[in-house]
Amino acid sequence: QVQLVESGGGVVQPGGSLRLSCAASGFTFSDYGIHWVRQAPGKGLEWISVISFEGSNKFYADSVEGRFTVSRDNSKNTLFLQMNSLGPEDTAVYYCAKDQDSGTYIIDYWGQGTLVTVSS
Amino acid sequence: IQMTQSPSSLSASVGDRVTITCRAGQNIDNYVNWYQHKPGRAPHLLIYAASSLQTGVPSRFSGSGSGTDFTLTISSLAPDDFATYYCQQSYSASSFGPGTRVDIK
Repeated sequence: QVQLVESGGGVVQPGGSLRLSCAASGFTFSDYGIHWVRQAPGKGLEWISVISFEGSNKFYADSVEGRFTVSRDNSKNTLFLQMNSLGPEDTAVYYCAKDQDSGTYIIDYWGQGTLVTVSS
Repeated sequence: IQMTQSPSSLSASVGDRVTITCRAGQNIDNYVNWYQHKPGRAPHLLIYAASSLQTGVPSRFSGSGSGTDFTLTISSLAPDDFATYYCQQSYSASSFGPGTRVDIK
């Protein structure tokens, strides 16, 4: 079955960097766009990024544009999120999530999330 | 694209009919999806393209709307339905509404 497993979360100081990974299985990873969505404590879901199936198209929310970079390695069925210049507002559970059909931005499977805490 | 939802929360009883509204800041045709989210769990797709029921989702859930105004309806609230519901636009990149929490009256 489809599985998405995030890793790489943890505690980081303000201004620091962190790289999240998302390991995918149970589907043909290279056929689907993949998203990052986050949820800050006590807040709602926030869409932050998507990368197309082949990795050539990437889009970001305004809140992370210029600080976060999404990438993927289709040979390893893995998605990445490089997060730089982190601030307290980036504290959240980060989910990777799969397009139902590539390019639709309809999300049909989600990982369980990894917690990022930005604190001194 | 800014998405708003109303109400932000509601209290209801098992068996009640529940309606949640989502409004987009511009015309987004039918590019709206609805998700259910429970604490500590991954969100769950309920409705896509405004009115299409995701496979495996109970038929008590339905969606409607187009343009800027959309609705998620639960025809008869079940005990498993107490959760937070989000609309999402997939017209231009993506964004979520702020959520509607449904709790027990």
